[in-house]
Amino acid sequence: AQTVTQSQPEMSVQEAETVTLSCTYDTSENNYYLFWYKQPPSRQMILVIRQEAYKQQNATENRFSVNFQKAAKSFSLKISDSQLGDTAMYFCAFTSPYSGGGADGLTFGKGTHLIIQP
Amino acid sequence: DAGVTQSPTHLIKTRGQQVTLRCSPKSGHDTVSWYQQALGQGPQFIFQYYEEEERQRGNFPDRFSGHQFPNYSSELNVNALLLGDSALYLCASSPRGLRETQYFGPGTRLLVL
Repeated sequence: AQTVTQSQPEMSVQEAETVTLSCTYDTSENNYYLFWYKQPPSRQMILVIRQEAYKQQNATENRFSVNFQKAAKSFSLKISDSQLGDTAMYFCAFTSPYSGGGADGLTFGKGTHLIIQP
Repeated sequence: DAGVTQSPTHLIKTRGQQVTLRCSPKSGHDTVSWYQQALGQGPQFIFQYYEEEERQRGNFPDRFSGHQFPNYSSELNVNALLLGDSALYLCASSPRGLRETQYFGPGTRLLVL
């Protein structure tokens, strides 16, 4: 079974700083997808960024970028120029449709609570 | 364009009762997945539906069942409720051809007393 580990339960940075959230995963699959989701106090889970394992290039979405290290099974999220609205729980998630009979249930980590201080 | 919608937003039940939660996917999405999120935890995958059939199931007992309708909307049913079923239930939908990419609704908060 796949596992996702987020080793930082909580992080706090000042507004405008850059912050990196860590995620490691364990799988025997070669092809899979990785995601970062944001869950603000309003509880709506929002997709931040998506990475396909067979793509070497790291995904970016505006101020959000990832550092995907396939051999190390590491998938960290970097948030540049952090804003107060970035305060939220951040979840790393994994899926491999090739191991689930073609279906795609996500396996989530326990999350990192990110606090942006003014 | 409406996102994923879920109803009701909150629900209170007693042990032993049955509950039905509902989900409407985003326009153009044909796949619905359900997750249970306990307080302070990451979501846990319950099951996924497309083409009106359950395609994959997580580690949940048979008390949890579902259905997908021809318009792609879905229901999650939980029978014989236990106190431990208290959680946020999240529905996510995916577009055709990108089933791995899931967009979540706001969730239904279930409290079992």
